[in-house]
Formats: sequence, structure tokens, C-alpha cells
Amino acid sequence: GQQLNQSPQSMFIQEGEDVSMNCTSSSIFNTWLWYKQDPGEGPVLLIALYKAGELTSNGRLTAQFGITRKDSFLNISASIPSDVGIYFCAGQLTGGTYKYIFGTGTRLKVLA
Amino acid sequence: GAGVSQTPSNKVTEKGKYVELRCDPISGHTALYWYRQSLGQGPEFLIYFQGTGAADDSGLPNDRFFAVRPEGSVSTLKIQRTERGDSAVYLCASSSQFQETQYFGPGTRLLVL
Repeated sequence: GQQLNQSPQSMFIQEGEDVSMNCTSSSIFNTWLWYKQDPGEGPVLLIALYKAGELTSNGRLTAQFGITRKDSFLNISASIPSDVGIYFCAGQLTGGTYKYIFGTGTRLKVLA
Repeated sequence: GAGVSQTPSNKVTEKGKYVELRCDPISGHTALYWYRQSLGQGPEFLIYFQGTGAADDSGLPNDRFFAVRPEGSVSTLKIQRTERGDSAVYLCASSSQFQETQYFGPGTRLLVL
């Protein structure tokens, strides 16, 4: 099935460092969502973006909806051990369907 | 309030058998989505409902897969003649409207032996 390009695929960082990940696509999206998934759990919504250029924060998380509507990034500042997990972006397609396409995931590991 | 719930949490079946997976969305949510997640991958869209009707079923892999939502609330994903390749986590999500953000359940882990 179709999946968005998400990078990096995985990353090891030191506690306290900032993290940046992004998603890109050839398709235009109405909405971008960012999720975190822990092992054995369903994805949990972190941030939702609804307009091109929108920049939204949720605590240490900041995400932006790209101007072209084809990309988005997520930043995590001052990472802590509980930030460990898999982060997924999801874009909602335009043009008569409202299905979401997910990214391939960024696996984050934080070293204390 | 209660979130999205899915039952069973785990299902082991034999190749060729029929299985049903159930999703209870957040109360009042009109849109319901089914996804399949294979190991190491992101969720892959299967189908979504707006009310009782399937608004987009383009992600269903073949005619062995079918989903219903007869009363616009609970949904059942049905898989006939299961194959080993059907083994995955099946996730359900709901949203208040199809344009709004969606919230996931914990998933059903299906293993076909």
C-alpha cells in the first residue's frame, strides 16, 4: 500500500538533545497528523495541522504543515527517555476521499 | 471518556479459517477507519465509514476482506479464508467527522498459522 516518505528511519540521540524528523510526498494533503506509537499499543495523536504554513506546538513538540502542502516536520526539544518510540506522520488526501496515508515511521531511541 | 476499543486483543487462527474483528468507536464519532499494520511498517489504510456506509474501501486487499457498520457505531472487519500473509495488527480509529483528527484503538493482533 501507499506510504509517505519519512526520515530519518531511525535515530539514536542523547538525552537533552533536540530531534527533527520529516515527511514528504508527491501528493497534496488537507491535514497532517503526527502520532507516537509504543510497542503493543495503538498510535497516540501528538499534533494535528490543518493549514499550509501552520506551526503548532504541544509542550516540547513543534510541527509544521509545509507551504506546498506536500510535507511536514516534527521537532522534539530537550529529549527525555520517555520520548522513545516510533513516530508516524499521516496525511489526509484531497479530491473526494478523506483517507489517511501514513509514513514509514521514525524509530527514536534516547540514551540517558 | 472511553476511547476506541477493539476485540479481541489477540487472535490466533489457522489458514483457511474465517475471522471477525470488532471495533467500538468513541461515542458520537461518525467516521470510522480500519488499518492494517505489518511489523516495522506504518498503518496501511483499508476502509473508512461515514455513518453506516463505506465511503472508501479502496484499501481492502482483495475480496476476502469485508467490513460492515450496520448501525453507524460498532464495526466488524471480516476476513474469509485467512492466509498466513494476513497476519498483522488490525487497527481501528474514529473521528467526529471525516475531516477531523482520528483516534486509534489498541489494535487486534492476528496470527494465521
